[in-house]
Amino acid sequence: QVQLQESGPRLVKPSETLSLTCTVSGGSISSGSYYWSWIRQPPGKGLEWIGYIYYTGSTNSIPSLERRVTISIDTSNNQFSLRLSSLTAADTAVYYCARGGSSWPYYFDYWGQGILVTVSS
Amino acid sequence: DIQMTQSPSSLSASVGDRVTITCRASQTISTYLNWYQQKPEKAPKLLIYAASSLQNGVPSRFSGSGSGTDFTLTISSLQPEDFATYYCQQSYSTPWTFGQGTKVEIK
Repeated sequence: QVQLQESGPRLVKPSETLSLTCTVSGGSISSGSYYWSWIRQPPGKGLEWIGYIYYTGSTNSIPSLERRVTISIDTSNNQFSLRLSSLTAADTAVYYCARGGSSWPYYFDYWGQGILVTVSS
Repeated sequence: DIQMTQSPSSLSASVGDRVTITCRASQTISTYLNWYQQKPEKAPKLLIYAASSLQNGVPSRFSGSGSGTDFTLTISSLQPEDFATYYCQQSYSTPWTFGQGTKVEIK
């Protein structure tokens, strides 16, 4: 059974950089069959896909966050990570990591439990 | 970006009711449409993919239909565990986008 687990700080100051890691167990992150995504959800609001990374290191992210987002992968530790810079209160959200297929129909079938990150001084 | 619009935003229903949620895309997306269920404080759970395919382990009372721009999620007989928020998501093109959600509440 594939499991994903987010880890990182729960409180970050404005203008700083958020770093989150997703550890994957029960399956290899190096499988060419999947994209590994980050998705966030502000409190009481809907879901926003942030971006994904493939095992080769290729990435794709939402244009509105592209300048601030870095997604990386560590295949030796079966982990992938998110860095989001220049934080504001609008970045306060539950951050999820998720597995998605790398071919049609591209759905998210496994999710982490989520980590609430609050941006506040 | 492709905008996804769900209706209604919320609904009240009783156990045993048939419930229908609609999702409309701002442009044609073929059948690149997925549905998720989210309960409070939990991660979303995949219910339906490719517009009408039931994910393994999901009860058969859930069904999906549609293609192009208009899609429907139907719960044939609402059960107590189905009270949750439901999201559609297009996977036709990045950035992948979600609808705003439909909250199904107990009447």
